[in-house]
Amino acid sequence: SQTIHQWPATLVQPVGSPLSLECTVEGTSNPNLYWYRQAAGRGLQLLFYSVGIGQISSEVPQNLSASRPQDRQFILSSKKLLLSDSGFYLCAWSDPAGSSYNSPLHFGNGTRLTVT
Amino acid sequence: GNSVTQMEGPVTLSEEAFLTINCTYTATGYPSLFWYVQYPGEGLQLLLKATKADDKGSNKGFEATYRKETTSFHLEKGSVQVSDSAVYFCALKAGAQKLVFGQGTRLTINP
Repeated sequence: SQTIHQWPATLVQPVGSPLSLECTVEGTSNPNLYWYRQAAGRGLQLLFYSVGIGQISSEVPQNLSASRPQDRQFILSSKKLLLSDSGFYLCAWSDPAGSSYNSPLHFGNGTRLTVT
Repeated sequence: GNSVTQMEGPVTLSEEAFLTINCTYTATGYPSLFWYVQYPGEGLQLLLKATKADDKGSNKGFEATYRKETTSFHLEKGSVQVSDSAVYFCALKAGAQKLVFGQGTRLTINP
């Protein structure tokens, strides 16, 4: 069966420090991968998605970047964190095989980032 | 563009009450519709889905029917439990990769 792992679960970082959040998927090949952010009291905002190694699409301009160095690894990074980067970050994958029209997303447990 | 509008929360009910969380959408073409649930401190889990008009998705006592004529996908449950307390997200997928979410509705069930 497929599983998705995200770490760390919680993180407190000072303003101006770098960030690296990691997400890995097991049990599937060539998944579509996603990073979402959920700010306090707000909905989900798609930050990045990837359909393959080295292929990253950015949805919104921001202080963050994403990379996909391996098929089932997706990394969210920042060189210098801002206070506004605080939030709950969720990694997700979907199966590109079959009909992508109705394939659901499968989420990790999230990382709660607090920038102080 | 594609969008999802959910009823604003928070919603507070007593145990065994009837639940409805409204969801309407705007989309080109024929989207698939989803409800996700987020329990405290966790990621999102797929609750149910419907891929074409008049389909009914169901899971764990929850149901939602894809109504194309009213562009709606309201979530219902006949008798809620304390364990149903969570944030519920309605979502649609009308393109190849992107899932569009509503703002989420926080549900609290009191014993």
